[in-house]
Amino acid sequence: SQQGEEDPQALSIQEGENATMNCSYKTSINNLQWYRQNSGRGLVHLILIRSNEREKHSGRLRVTLDTSKKSSSLLITASRAADTASYFCATAGDTGRRALTFGSGTRLQVQP
Amino acid sequence: DARVTQTPRHKVTEMGQEVTMRCQPILGHNTVFWYRQTMMQGLELLAYFRNRAPLDDSGMPKDRFSAEMPDATLATLKIQPSEPRDSAVYFCASGLVFLGAAGNTIYFGEGSWLTVV
Repeated sequence: SQQGEEDPQALSIQEGENATMNCSYKTSINNLQWYRQNSGRGLVHLILIRSNEREKHSGRLRVTLDTSKKSSSLLITASRAADTASYFCATAGDTGRRALTFGSGTRLQVQP
Repeated sequence: DARVTQTPRHKVTEMGQEVTMRCQPILGHNTVFWYRQTMMQGLELLAYFRNRAPLDDSGMPKDRFSAEMPDATLATLKIQPSEPRDSAVYFCASGLVFLGAAGNTIYFGEGSWLTVV
């Protein structure tokens, strides 16, 4: 079963706008990661945030983590048409199975 | 440019046939994962190996699926016999995971697109 659930399932915005995707998870985690998948391709790691961190930045990406609410958000600023892809959050538990479990993904469409 | 290599990229087969998918992990990575992606179920973890030893294959239907790592440069996922419901994209991923650490970054191959008719 999936640990994380992304919201919204699909998002369509105009180039230059910001895109925000949310992820909720169920159990205690060691870290949370975001991955991107272009159509027909494999997933590519974007950013990792540890359970003791609240916010992290990488280029146009900003990730927040709220462990009390078991939620994370991914913000892509000044979006580009090339950002069109599916975005997945992935979590690894701090006990038991430690392989990454992926959410259902958000399909982002950036209109040029 | 190190990458995870998967073969075949696309496979169409008839129900009942054996399917073998192969993966070459990134050199030096000690953990290999097999995931399956479908529209309905999303990404599901099938199995994973650490230093070639199977750590968890609870996500894999045992009656028809098997996963092995004959050596450090090759992981295989076999389906025998295949069924239409096995149609999916099968991803291999690898990572360098230290003992006691959880959830390090993993690197995905491009996937094997399987269609069973």
